[in-house]
Amino acid sequence: ETGVTQTPRHLVMGMTNKKSLKCEQHLGHNAMYWYKQSAKKPLELMFVYSLEERVENNSVPSRFSPECPNSSHLFLHLHTLQPEDSALYLCASSQDLANEQFFGPGTRLTVL
Amino acid sequence: KQEVTQIPAALSVPEGENLVLNCSFTDSAIYNLQWFRQDPGKGLTSLLLIQSSQREQTSGRLNASLDKSSGRSTLYIAASQPGDSATYLCAVRLATSGTYKYIFGTGTRLKVLA
Repeated sequence: ETGVTQTPRHLVMGMTNKKSLKCEQHLGHNAMYWYKQSAKKPLELMFVYSLEERVENNSVPSRFSPECPNSSHLFLHLHTLQPEDSALYLCASSQDLANEQFFGPGTRLTVL
Repeated sequence: KQEVTQIPAALSVPEGENLVLNCSFTDSAIYNLQWFRQDPGKGLTSLLLIQSSQREQTSGRLNASLDKSSGRSTLYIAASQPGDSATYLCAVRLATSGTYKYIFGTGTRLKVLA
């Protein structure tokens, strides 16, 4: 257990659905991250939040919408996704932007 | 544009061997480098973090080195065990002001045979 939890662990959705991924960290960290891991590709950083403020948006399509209501919670809202968005979505946190990252177990997303 | 390469892509070794995993990056302007392991279908577990001013870090049977000028890092695993079987990933954080980009390699899939 790394102190970072993600729900749900698995999600299957149609292209017209709206769903949200949730991440919670119990480490007292100030920075949180969303990553996408697709088969045969390197991990891709999507969003970075520091003290609830978005500090990095890595050219992610608008059908992915992050939300960080407080320093312990991070959401990824999904809307009208495409089949190529199917991947493992990983959340991470760190004490601040300079320190090591701790990852959650991920949400395996399948878009039909 | 920063690129991170890990060679080999896959490696099988008998139990007890010492081994070295390689990570190379094209731009030496990095803030830090982190090594992770990932078990199948799971998240990443942090192994070692090396700041750009450091040369190496050690944790138990693991030793990671960093040579910024040559754009290389190595992860040394001593006396490998079957439980070390996993995919090992390295990631660099770019030192570009105002950005917090992390670039990952594609990983080395390690299998330690009993």
